[in-house]
Amino acid sequence: ILNVEQSPQSLHVQEGDSTNFTCSFPSSNFYALHWYRWETAKSPEALFVMTLNGDEKKKGRISATLNTKEGYSYLYIKGSQPEDSATYLCAFVDSGYSTLTFGKGTMLLVSP
Amino acid sequence: ETGVTQTPRHLVMGMTNKKSLKCEQHLGHNAMYWYKQSAKKPLELMFVYNFKEQTENNSVPSRFSPECPNSSHLFLHLHTLQPEDSALYLCASSQTVGRGEKLFFGSGTQLSVL
Repeated sequence: ILNVEQSPQSLHVQEGDSTNFTCSFPSSNFYALHWYRWETAKSPEALFVMTLNGDEKKKGRISATLNTKEGYSYLYIKGSQPEDSATYLCAFVDSGYSTLTFGKGTMLLVSP
Repeated sequence: ETGVTQTPRHLVMGMTNKKSLKCEQHLGHNAMYWYKQSAKKPLELMFVYNFKEQTENNSVPSRFSPECPNSSHLFLHLHTLQPEDSALYLCASSQTVGRGEKLFFGSGTQLSVL
């Protein structure tokens, strides 16, 4: 059983704050790490697919980094806005499998 | 029109009922998936279809029966479910079943088993 942990479980910030959360995954047999954003009553939506150690991806105010040797990825949101409120999921892909193992997610609430 | 459409959005059924969940994707993808989201648990993979062929059954009880008549449609047939099967059921698709392929999800069916 692959263990994918996300922390914190939930986070409440004020509009304009920058924030970050963590995804931890097995450091062996790494193939890829996915990040998804899931707004309430909507579909999960892919943010990033990361495959290279040291990779850094950016989409607007959201960015992610990847450390495959130590088994973690950070997701950063700069200047949080209320529309960033969502659950952020990471998913690990083992080199021996083709499917994703998800973490439980970090629920972010941004207050105006 | 969204890329992946699921119906119904909500379903309440008794333990003796038979019902089906439907998923349709308009993205030209070849792989389709069923996931289960229970409270306080991560998304759990149930079934994978690639080019209409089932490639993975993640030890799912036989009271859940998937069907993939073509690459655009996926069904989940439900019969004699238990109350613990109440959950959000999400359908997803991807270009193929590849380890780097991102998933495109539907909005889910919220199932309640009484």
